[in-house]
Amino acid sequence: GAGVSQSPSNKVTEKGKDVELRCDPISGHTALYWYRQRLGQGLEFLIYFQGNSAPDKSGLPSDRFSAERTGESVSTLTIQRTQQEDSAVYLCASSLGEFSNQPQHFGDGTRLSIL
Amino acid sequence: GQNIDQPTEMTATEGAIVQINCTYQTSGFNGLFWYQQHAGEAPTFLSYNVLDGLEEKGRFSSFLSRSKGYSYLLLKELQMKDSASYLCAVRDSGKSTFGDGTTLTVKP
Repeated sequence: GAGVSQSPSNKVTEKGKDVELRCDPISGHTALYWYRQRLGQGLEFLIYFQGNSAPDKSGLPSDRFSAERTGESVSTLTIQRTQQEDSAVYLCASSLGEFSNQPQHFGDGTRLSIL
Repeated sequence: GQNIDQPTEMTATEGAIVQINCTYQTSGFNGLFWYQQHAGEAPTFLSYNVLDGLEEKGRFSSFLSRSKGYSYLLLKELQMKDSASYLCAVRDSGKSTFGDGTTLTVKP
């Protein structure tokens, strides 16, 4: 497909479990971003990658959150020992470059619900 | 730190013009983006400003004043489908910081 693809689209899990969210960016996009969006709120920056390295991890809420990117393509966001406050939509976006004037293209997100 | 302010909600009438303001205080600036987000959907790109002035794109225009830390999005000839959340985002180095969005309701 031509767009950013995220999986799963929905995830329901019990508190304390680990979850892994996946993002496939648009081919050729070197920059990749993760955001969290709680219901009725704006986008909260988590982390971004330029290539396979993460120049800015400042938005990760705690050490339970981690992300990696391989092959300048797929990225995974992992949340360990999930808590109820982790319930949100997790959005991934990609763009042609971190300093370019090109906009971010968003995936449809993963809706995460922690019971 | 980064601070971006937008009104929480606005209401306008179909066919009218509406202006959504955004003020920002950021440690750096590499451009300002406006995105549209319909309920339950992903944000989509509307406009980009990096120099002062007005950028026009069809029914939508965006204005930037870097000295004032101010931007607005102007929507003309409003249609019902324009009911959505409008997000202002400032790029600082590689990272973009988003405002909480302005929910626009267009009424007949």
